[in-house]
Amino acid sequence: AQRVTQPEKLLSVFKGAPVELKCNYSYSGSPELFWYVQYSRQRLQLLLRHISRESIKGFTADLNKGETSFHLKKPFAQEEDSAMYYCALSSISRNEKLTFGTGTRLTIIP
Amino acid sequence: DVKVTQSSRYLVKRTGEKVFLECVQDMDHENMFWYRQDPGLGLRLIYFSYDVKMKEKGDIPEGYSVSREKKERFSLILESASTNQTSMYLCASSFLGQGRGQPQHFGDGTRLSIL
Repeated sequence: AQRVTQPEKLLSVFKGAPVELKCNYSYSGSPELFWYVQYSRQRLQLLLRHISRESIKGFTADLNKGETSFHLKKPFAQEEDSAMYYCALSSISRNEKLTFGTGTRLTIIP
Repeated sequence: DVKVTQSSRYLVKRTGEKVFLECVQDMDHENMFWYRQDPGLGLRLIYFSYDVKMKEKGDIPEGYSVSREKKERFSLILESASTNQTSMYLCASSFLGQGRGQPQHFGDGTRLSIL
């Protein structure tokens, strides 16, 4: 069975400090992983996906198959990064079903 | 820009009522999903559909059913609402990709309270 673990429910970081949101997964096949973000009073939206290997809003995430991790990182936190972040794993089926972690609420302290 | 529209932002119903939550998407997506979002539990998949009249159970289908009569519309039905179904409900849609990696697009959510 596939599973996504986000060990931190809450994370507070000072503005300008580095940010790392942890995500670990268990999956028997080759994973497809995503980070979704929900800003206050906004809908849940895709932040980035590992197959794109892109940096969005200064965030990056590297898939580490050895450690089964997909941690989200940003070198210098900004106040507008405060949000709820969800890590998600895509099913092997063609239906793109996602399994979400329980989420991490990130608060940037001015 | 993809638009996923949920019919209500807030809904209050009574125990035992039959409740309908509606979702419409305008991007001709094949896949549609219903999740509930609860603090500390993240998003949990209730049902999904990959084609008209097709549906599959997610992780927590008990007490729910769905209907997809048209490609753009996916309805979630609470057959007999109970207080433990008080939650935020999110609808999402995505293309049916050749492989995986298709992003899901979410609606604003419906906050449902069962009294």
